Amino acid sequence: DSGVTQTPKHLITATGQRVTLRCSPRSGDLSVYWYQQSLDQGLQFLIQYYNGEERAKGNILERFSAQQFPDLHSELNLSSLELGDSALYFCASSVDWGPGMNTEAFFGQGTRLTVV
Amino acid sequence: TQLLEQSPQFLSIQEGENLTVYCNSSSVFSSLQWYRQEPGEGPVLLVTVVTGGEVKKLKRLTFQFGDARKDSSLHITAAQPGDTGLYLCAGANRGSTLGRLYFGRGTQLTVWP
Repeated sequence: DSGVTQTPKHLITATGQRVTLRCSPRSGDLSVYWYQQSLDQGLQFLIQYYNGEERAKGNILERFSAQQFPDLHSELNLSSLELGDSALYFCASSVDWGPGMNTEAFFGQGTRLTVV
Repeated sequence: TQLLEQSPQFLSIQEGENLTVYCNSSSVFSSLQWYRQEPGEGPVLLVTVVTGGEVKKLKRLTFQFGDARKDSSLHITAAQPGDTGLYLCAGANRGSTLGRLYFGRGTQLTVWP
C-alpha cells in the first residue's frame, strides 16, 4: 500500500460526458501528480500541484482540468469525453517539489476509465 | 520532448536465467528511476541513479546509469517468477521541469517456473 488513495477504481461512461477522479496523497506529501497510462502512449505526465498551486504542466488536454484543495487532496476533471480518453489515470504524491529533487513519488492504484 | 526508449518491449524467460533491460535517450537527465508495475497496481520505485557511471545493486537486480547520463540498464540475475512485471524507466530533471517524470513505455517481463 503506497498510502495514495484514488477513487473510483473503475469508471465506465459515455462519450461526451464529464467525470471527476479523486486522489488523496500520502500524509505529509505536498505534491500531487497526475499521469495517464494507455497502451499506445505509455505513462504520460499530465499535471503537478504543489501545496495547492499548479507547478508543472505536461500533455494535458484543454478538456481536462485539475485542482488541489486546502486539505491537499486533488481532483482531475475530464470533460467532453472521447473514446481515446479511455486509459488508466494515476495519481502520485511526493513530499517536496518532485523527482528532479531525487525524491520518491508514490503512485496510487489508478482509476481505469472506459469511455463507450 | 524528452523520450526514453526501452528494449526489449517483451521478455519471456525461464526461472534461473539472467536478463538485461535497456533504457536509452538522446537527452541528458539529472537522475533516472526504475519502477516495477504489476497488474492493477501503480508503479513502485525500485531505485534512483544520479551520478553518471553509477551502479546500484538491489539483491539480484543491478542498475547502471550511463556515463553521459542518457541511458541506463537493469540486469536481473537468476530471475524468479516473482520478478514478473512491467519494468519502467523514468528520467527526471532539475529546473523548470523537476516536477515531472519522463517514462519509457516499459519492458514486460514474464518469468516462467
